[in-house]
Amino acid sequence: SYVLTQTPSVSVAPGKTAKITCGGNSIASKSVHWYQHKPGQAPVLVIYYDKDRPSGIPERFAGSNSGNTATLTISRVEDGDEADYYCQVWDNMDPLFGGGTKLTVL
Amino acid sequence: EEQLVESGGGVVHPGGSLRLSCAASGFTFITYRMHWVRQAPGKGLVWVSRINEDGKTTTYADSVKGRFTVSRDNAENTLYLQMSGLRVDDTATYYCARGRHLEPADLWGQGTLVTVSS
Repeated sequence: SYVLTQTPSVSVAPGKTAKITCGGNSIASKSVHWYQHKPGQAPVLVIYYDKDRPSGIPERFAGSNSGNTATLTISRVEDGDEADYYCQVWDNMDPLFGGGTKLTVL
Repeated sequence: EEQLVESGGGVVHPGGSLRLSCAASGFTFITYRMHWVRQAPGKGLVWVSRINEDGKTTTYADSVKGRFTVSRDNAENTLYLQMSGLRVDDTATYYCARGRHLEPADLWGQGTLVTVSS
């Protein structure tokens, strides 16, 4: 079955750029969605279909997908961006999540 | 306001049963397939089950197949997860989420905690 691999943690200083990656075999052939999840809260969709942003999500959030890696890029990181981030693809018609990346804002 | 609210979590002994509910409001429930996703303590999100719009098609993760049953009441805008034969490793926060076929899950509930412990 398909496997999505995420780096467990990423740390970044406020105002800098964070890159969170999601690896999978030929992942560029799939559509990747990204979710932000803060403790005690509902997960929030931040990027869908590789690079589209839902309404209300800041332009600082951007997505790309090429080869074997999809990337979520958060520019000008703010304290409020500290959260777990999950990539997701469809596998046999049901959602498959990556293991998650904890973004720490220093 | 579009909203999903889970309920029914609690503490249960191994082998026990529990029924979770997810009340939907603010959108046309019958036009969405619904998912249950769980997060064990300190772990990531894991898909558990899906039910199609009309309730006639359901799928399950291998880890819960034969023990969990998903259903929905479109008249009451409510999603259910009947859990039986619960195991310690079923301990998790359970989230309901809506989505359409091959579209992202664009609305999630805040989750309900299920603890399986002796």
